[in-house]
Amino acid sequence: GNSVTQMEGPVTLSEEAFLTINCTYTATGYPSLFWYVQYPGEGLQLLLKATKADDKGSNKGFEATYRKETTSFHLEKGSVQVSDSAVYFCASILTGGGNKLTFGTGTQLKVEL
Amino acid sequence: GAVVSQHPSWVICKSGTSVKIECRSLDFQATTMFWYRQFPKQSLMLMATSNEGSKATYEQGVEKDKFLINHASLTLSTLTVTSAHPEDSSFYICSARQGLMNTEAFFGQGTRLTVV
Repeated sequence: GNSVTQMEGPVTLSEEAFLTINCTYTATGYPSLFWYVQYPGEGLQLLLKATKADDKGSNKGFEATYRKETTSFHLEKGSVQVSDSAVYFCASILTGGGNKLTFGTGTQLKVEL
Repeated sequence: GAVVSQHPSWVICKSGTSVKIECRSLDFQATTMFWYRQFPKQSLMLMATSNEGSKATYEQGVEKDKFLINHASLTLSTLTVTSAHPEDSSFYICSARQGLMNTEAFFGQGTRLTVV
């Protein structure tokens, strides 16, 4: 079946530091991959997505590349801001599997001045 | 983007009572709604999927008689935790999707349930 594994948090960085949050997936087919972000007190928001191998999703300075050879979808940002502090969820969905999202455990990011 | 509103944001109830959580799509019609449960430091666990006008499909291990889901309209789904016990204390999150093949889902802000 589907599963998603992401690095545990919390991750604490200084402003303008480089961010990587690792995410790997297992699937019986070729899933679409997502990163969701949850800001304090708010619901999950879609940050970016990729639907096939080698696709790169990007939004708000965040990027993630769908790597089939390493079954990974690591989230990166070159220079984080305090406003990026949130919980980040990696997720996958296997079309034809009922369109159900499978989530990682979430990684809390704290960015300090 | 589309907005999903979940209410209440938090609730405390006594053991043995029932609690209803509402999930509304504010600016779109949600063909499908999903209910998740999240334990501390764990991933979101899908509890059930509901399509408007039909019975919810529950995931394995989720008690349908304990977690009643109603999706009576295209903008509202409710989750009722019946005869709540302290072990039901958790963070419950809904999401809504417009259309059957559109994979993007929009999430509510979650409800923190504490059963005392």
